Amino acid sequence: DAGITQSPRHKVTETGTPVTLRCHQTENHRYMYWYRQDPGHGLRLIHYSYGVKDTDKGEVSDGYSVSRSKTEDFLLTLESATSSQTSVYFCAISDYAGANVLTFGAGSRLTVL
Amino acid sequence: GIQVEQSPPDLILQEGANSTLRCNFSDSVNNLQWFHQNPWGQLINLFYIPSGTKQNGRLSATTVATERYSLLYISSSQTTDSGVYFCAVELRSGGSNYKLTFGKGTLLTVNP
Repeated sequence: DAGITQSPRHKVTETGTPVTLRCHQTENHRYMYWYRQDPGHGLRLIHYSYGVKDTDKGEVSDGYSVSRSKTEDFLLTLESATSSQTSVYFCAISDYAGANVLTFGAGSRLTVL
Repeated sequence: GIQVEQSPPDLILQEGANSTLRCNFSDSVNNLQWFHQNPWGQLINLFYIPSGTKQNGRLSATTVATERYSLLYISSSQTTDSGVYFCAVELRSGGSNYKLTFGKGTLLTVNP
């Protein structure tokens, strides 16, 4: 996975609990992204980061927050998980060296009961 | 935002057949990529192709940016080609956009 590690890979939690997903990269890429994948919707961008402490919202950011305190880590937090956030979450990285070419992590499957 | 439409949504082939997948987009783009998601969920970047034609083994892709579409060709398909193929585009704008928008994908099943 080109030096991208997502954790946890699988998580089951209950409605109302906080959840944090971690994306760790060893490529020293500047850009990092969180997408969610749901049947019938393809992949939709939640949040992205273009540098340490620099983040912005994607198309489905409600209910999610992110943090990037160092280049290698990008955290996605669900403050109070809901059943609608049951999904597979993918982290991606890009060095944007001339073009924004994404490399994806293996994904994290989250189930909110 | 930009719209990305992929067709067909589903495709079933016999091993050895050829296929063409299409991606239409609604606005000018400076970035187009094709991805393959295998049955285990792994997403692999196949092509970065904002314009022109590229080939990689049995796969090739062509993007006609002025007409806002891209085609992915799979020749002599194999069962390992099964999975979902996604097209993703980045809107051409005055400044950097950073964000890729994905289509909903084409589910390809190759039967032995």
